[in-house]
Amino acid sequence: EAGVAQSPRYKIIEKRQSVAFWCNPISGHATLYWYQQILGQGPKLLIQFQNNGVVDDSQLPKDRFSAERLKGVDSTLKIQPAKLEDSAVYLCASSFARGSSGGDSTDTQYFGPGTRLTVL
Amino acid sequence: GQNIDQPTEMTATEGAIVQINCTYQTSGFNGLFWYQQHAGEAPTFLSYNVLDGLEEKGRFSSFLSRSKGYSYLLLKELQMKDSASYLCAVSAYTGGGNKLTFGTGTQLKVEL
Repeated sequence: EAGVAQSPRYKIIEKRQSVAFWCNPISGHATLYWYQQILGQGPKLLIQFQNNGVVDDSQLPKDRFSAERLKGVDSTLKIQPAKLEDSAVYLCASSFARGSSGGDSTDTQYFGPGTRLTVL
Repeated sequence: GQNIDQPTEMTATEGAIVQINCTYQTSGFNGLFWYQQHAGEAPTFLSYNVLDGLEEKGRFSSFLSRSKGYSYLLLKELQMKDSASYLCAVSAYTGGGNKLTFGTGTQLKVEL
């Protein structure tokens, strides 16, 4: 079974430039997540989609970050304009979860390799 | 909100046993995950607990006590390749789905 795919793997940009990241989840996974991981910290959820609807974007800096999952499969995350503090690894994850209130193993998230963003 | 606490660093000897603790405070608890993350790589799933008790999977075991807000990951017969960051993550229902909140991770160093 193919895992979560992400591109690019690395990106270096100047501050105030724009950047976009792409994610293709595991086939059949309804829920897709974007995380930001700063060096030495755990991943922080930016946005969570279930199919093509947003479930949680409470920690997404909406003045500069946007994300979409138009057909309920692939997703893109954009930063415009980038700031120095956006330097981090951006991880995409997916799970089979369908949004029920009970917890079970379908909530297990599988991560892609990440995109390492450096803002100069 | 959620609060997750785990030690920043631990060191252990090859062949030994190490226990990494995690305490949490949350509402709408729906399960606790442990992930392993090697430097420069993505987190990989290790274990999931939703009921109290011990889950064993090869050299790795994970324990949960919901009433105490406490979990631990037990690694036996340590190998050099186990040197990595171990992330405790708590799942909570937020209305639209289950949200995972990660701790800062415990950096484990396995020495000869």
